[in-house]
Amino acid sequence: AQSVTQPDIHITVSEGASLELRCNYSYGATPYLFWYVQSPGQGLQLLLKYFSGDTLVQGIKGFEAEFKRSQSSFNLRKPSVHWSDAAEYFCAVGSFEGGKLIFGQGTELSVKP
Amino acid sequence: AAGVIQSPRHLIKEKRETATLKCYPIPRHDTVYWYQQGPGQDPQFLISFYEKMQSDKGSIPDRFSAQQFSDYHSELNMSSLELGDSALYFCASSKQKDTQYFGPGTRLTVL
Repeated sequence: AQSVTQPDIHITVSEGASLELRCNYSYGATPYLFWYVQSPGQGLQLLLKYFSGDTLVQGIKGFEAEFKRSQSSFNLRKPSVHWSDAAEYFCAVGSFEGGKLIFGQGTELSVKP
Repeated sequence: AAGVIQSPRHLIKEKRETATLKCYPIPRHDTVYWYQQGPGQDPQFLISFYEKMQSDKGSIPDRFSAQQFSDYHSELNMSSLELGDSALYFCASSKQKDTQYFGPGTRLTVL
């Protein structure tokens, strides 16, 4: 079955510290992978996506993610977190045919001063 | 850049009433997706349309229906509302089923 797992429900990091949010997927075909960010009561903003090619992808706001096929992972990283990064982060997987996205449970990020 | 527009942004209904949510995709996008996000939950796919035809269907209740019109906007019609229908409803659009861009959502509260 197709699924996305974000093992960490809530993560707290200090401002200026590095960040890594984990995402593991289970998908029968070649996956298209996404990270979205959601501020409270807001919509989902696309941070970055992986379709093919270079397994390290750069996104907006200084985020990057690395696709590791052998580990079925697509972890999101940022070298230095800002207080404005506090939000809910969702990893999602889709298909080449462009159908529905399957989301992970989300990771809530808190940033302490 | 133009984004996905959803209306209304907030909606309050009584049980057993009906509701209509509207979605206006990004210009030149031909695919629309509807998702439901319950409190503290991840978004769940409901239904999608490509070039005005239903292209995929998820866990959408029979009480709900949707369509995509000739100008590519879409409407989600919800009847016999239940308390459990209270959620944030997102519309996303894409061009030829490529990357999905989400709207701000409609928060539906059923009393």
